[in-house]
Amino acid sequence: TQLLEQSPQFLSIQEGENLTVYCNSSSVFSSLQWYRQEPGEGPVLLVTVVTGGEVKKLKRLTFQFGDARKDSSLHITAAQPGDTGLYLCAGAIMGAQKLVFGQGTRLTINP
Amino acid sequence: DAGVTQSPTHLIKTRGQQVTLRCSPKSGHDTVSWYQQALGQGPQFIFQYYEEEERQRGNFPDRFSGHQFPNYSSELNVNALWLGDSALYLCASSFLTGPRSYEQYFGPGTRLTVT
Repeated sequence: TQLLEQSPQFLSIQEGENLTVYCNSSSVFSSLQWYRQEPGEGPVLLVTVVTGGEVKKLKRLTFQFGDARKDSSLHITAAQPGDTGLYLCAGAIMGAQKLVFGQGTRLTINP
Repeated sequence: DAGVTQSPTHLIKTRGQQVTLRCSPKSGHDTVSWYQQALGQGPQFIFQYYEEEERQRGNFPDRFSGHQFPNYSSELNVNALWLGDSALYLCASSFLTGPRSYEQYFGPGTRLTVT
């Protein structure tokens, strides 16, 4: 059974601070997606990483895929209240489109 | 460009009843996947449909069934509802093949409450 461990599960920080969310597994994934979900809505795709060691930047958000394609991280620089939400990582199983999700990180940025 | 749409938005059912949820994929997508998201958890894969056939299935009982229509839209049916079936049901669409086949786009979900 594939399992994605996401940490921390909850994070509350002040505006302007930096933070990192981690997503770890013992399984190898063909790709890994990061989503953001607002209450009562579906997850919205932020980024997909495919190649081991790949780094992608989306404004103040930096996403990295581990060299072995088993783990990933999301780093937010100078967090803003608008970054508040549930962040989910999801790994695509090799040879399939099935996504395995982490349990999510609920992020709160306080003004 | 219309995104993934789902109906209804909310639904309340009684234990033992049956429910049907509907999904229309993003324009151009040919594959539909269904996920169940319990409160405070990440989504769990139920099954995936392509060319009107179930292509993959997660660890869900046979009470959960689905269908895909020629226009790629899909239905999720749950029979003999349990209290534990209360969750947000998410539909995601994608391409089965091609350079971006791993990207899935989600609808807003249907909140099912079983009493």
